Amino acid sequence: DTEVTQTPKHLVMGMTNKKSLKCEQHMGHRAMYWYKQKAKKPPELMFVYSYEKLSINESVPSRFSPECPNSSLLNLHLHALQPEDSALYLCASRLGPGSSDTQYFGPGTRLTVL
Amino acid sequence: EDKVVQSPLSLVVHEGDTVTLNCSYEVTNFRSLLWYKQEKKAPTFLFMLTSSGIEKKSGRLSSILDKKELSSILNITATQTGDSAIYLCAVEARYGNKLVFGAGTILRVKS
Repeated sequence: DTEVTQTPKHLVMGMTNKKSLKCEQHMGHRAMYWYKQKAKKPPELMFVYSYEKLSINESVPSRFSPECPNSSLLNLHLHALQPEDSALYLCASRLGPGSSDTQYFGPGTRLTVL
Repeated sequence: EDKVVQSPLSLVVHEGDTVTLNCSYEVTNFRSLLWYKQEKKAPTFLFMLTSSGIEKKSGRLSSILDKKELSSILNITATQTGDSAIYLCAVEARYGNKLVFGAGTILRVKS
């Protein structure tokens, strides 16, 4: 199994809703990442988890709350989002934080905030 | 602050042409430079270049790292319409555990 999966593929939510994005990998990777990508822009790093611990938070607003329940699973909890948070949310993983391999990206969740 | 600049920002060519995409970077303690291709969804990995692996080739695609000039090029020969995509360059610092992306080059191959 050499893929990163993300659910849902699409999500539409209101500004008062609470929702969660899910990312899963079964490659034994111990570093996992959340990125946000706006249209025609490159991915922007949001969070990095290394060995299930949050190691990097790129000053992301608290309405985004990451969680890593185990080494295969990464969640992103969303609450009170703004329309400008609409974007493609990408999850990625790699073997380990200091490894020489690349990051493998999931297909993304396209989020629309109304 | 680490920085990646790609050029051109967009490019339109005809099938069969050869294209060269550029990436220059500034990073403290360089570890690797990566090229990704992005169509409608997630970026797909093309190449990783490091100090010990400065040239990579796969089919019609090839890439070279110039450590002295702090830059890299991605060449695509005999382009096809399926090569139309955004090509992203990213660098990673040795102790950073994160990728810094350039803005990307939008390539459109016309039939």
